[in-house]
Amino acid sequence: RKEVEQDPGPFNVPEGATVAFNCTYSNSASQSFFWYRQDCRKEPKLLMSVYSSGNEDGRFTAQLNRASQYISLLIRDSKLSDSATYLCVVKDNDMRFGAGTRLTVKP
Amino acid sequence: NAGVTQTPKFQVLKTGQSMTLQCAQDMNHNSMYWYRQDPGMGLRLIYYSASEGTTDKGEVPNGYNVSRLNKREFSLRLESAAPSQTSVYFCASSEAQGWNQPQHFGDGTRLSIL
Repeated sequence: RKEVEQDPGPFNVPEGATVAFNCTYSNSASQSFFWYRQDCRKEPKLLMSVYSSGNEDGRFTAQLNRASQYISLLIRDSKLSDSATYLCVVKDNDMRFGAGTRLTVKP
Repeated sequence: NAGVTQTPKFQVLKTGQSMTLQCAQDMNHNSMYWYRQDPGMGLRLIYYSASEGTTDKGEVPNGYNVSRLNKREFSLRLESAAPSQTSVYFCASSEAQGWNQPQHFGDGTRLSIL
């Protein structure tokens, strides 16, 4: 079992749609959680940290469920510019990256 | 703002050749990291340096060596390149290695080994 698992997608959605990604992790001792965004042939960039109580940043909402060992990312009112691969990252002693979920937002 | 700078951006090597990938950060971060990214897989940690003067193995260290030259610079060396090392290499840095410290990435080195 991979330490961090994501649905690879691709998710193809129209502009304005709401889309949600889930990510599961295997190490119950993991302490920190992040979502990164990676554009094609570019470096990963931090999108947001994920806090235990859940957190929101504009159109993006992240949630953590420690009991079930998953985190989620919800994107509301999708924009064309949201098209990218979204990486789930879980930190125990090291940062552990999921393989990413690819999102394409279409006009 | 430069952030994390990697050189070169692209490189083609023959099997058995050696080369060093350079990384420098200007954010006064203590911790630096080298990852490789392969299709269908998450980034995998090769080596990291929690602070100046220290280096430790990550998940996939075989075939690589690193040097933390000073606080700013962290280089990755392939002594005898193999086709299995064809990948995209990312350097990253963070303020510290502690909890909830996000990492900031360079824009990658695309390495092909023939």
